[in-house]
Amino acid sequence: AQTVTQSQPEMSVQEAETVTLSCTYDTSESDYYLFWYKQPPSRQMILVIRQEAYKQQNATENRFSVNFQKAAKSFSLKISDSQLGDAAMYFCAYRGSGYALNFGKGTSLLVTP
Amino acid sequence: GAVVSQHPSRVICKSGTSVKIECRSLDFQATTMFWYRQFPKKSLMLMATSNEGSKATYEQGVEKDKFLINHASLTLSTLTVTSAHPEDSSFYICSARDFQDSSYNEQFFGPGTRLTVL
Repeated sequence: AQTVTQSQPEMSVQEAETVTLSCTYDTSESDYYLFWYKQPPSRQMILVIRQEAYKQQNATENRFSVNFQKAAKSFSLKISDSQLGDAAMYFCAYRGSGYALNFGKGTSLLVTP
Repeated sequence: GAVVSQHPSRVICKSGTSVKIECRSLDFQATTMFWYRQFPKKSLMLMATSNEGSKATYEQGVEKDKFLINHASLTLSTLTVTSAHPEDSSFYICSARDFQDSSYNEQFFGPGTRLTVL
């Protein structure tokens, strides 16, 4: 079974600064997808960014980018120019040959003014 | 973007009663829907995968007789918590995969249902 590990239960960043959230995963599959989801206090899951394993280029979505290291099975999320609205729980998720998502335990991000 | 709704958003029931939660894809067809459970400040745990027109596939440790899942149409899946007990109190989230999306691979999440069993 695939496991997703987020080793940072909580992170804090000042507004306008950059923060990196870590995620590692374990799998024997060669074809898979990785995602970062944001869950604000409303608890609505919001897709932040996704990465296909077969793509070597790191995904980028505006202020959000990933550092995907396939050999190391690492998938970190970098948030640049942090904003107060970025405060939320962030979940790293893996999707393999099935379509269900396997989530990490999450990282709570606090953004301070 | 694709929208998934859940109803009700909150429900409080007495111990021993059954509660039905609906998950609807509003602007797309979903052959596959997923049901997750989330405890406070915890991650989402997959309970079952629901496929239209067939029996749901439950994850290990999930009681299929307690959590009845029906996916009768391409836009609706229901989760019924039977004979609910206080330990069933949780936040239940569904997600849906677009039938016509073979490459985008995104799941669309509902807003969740908070169940409280007294």
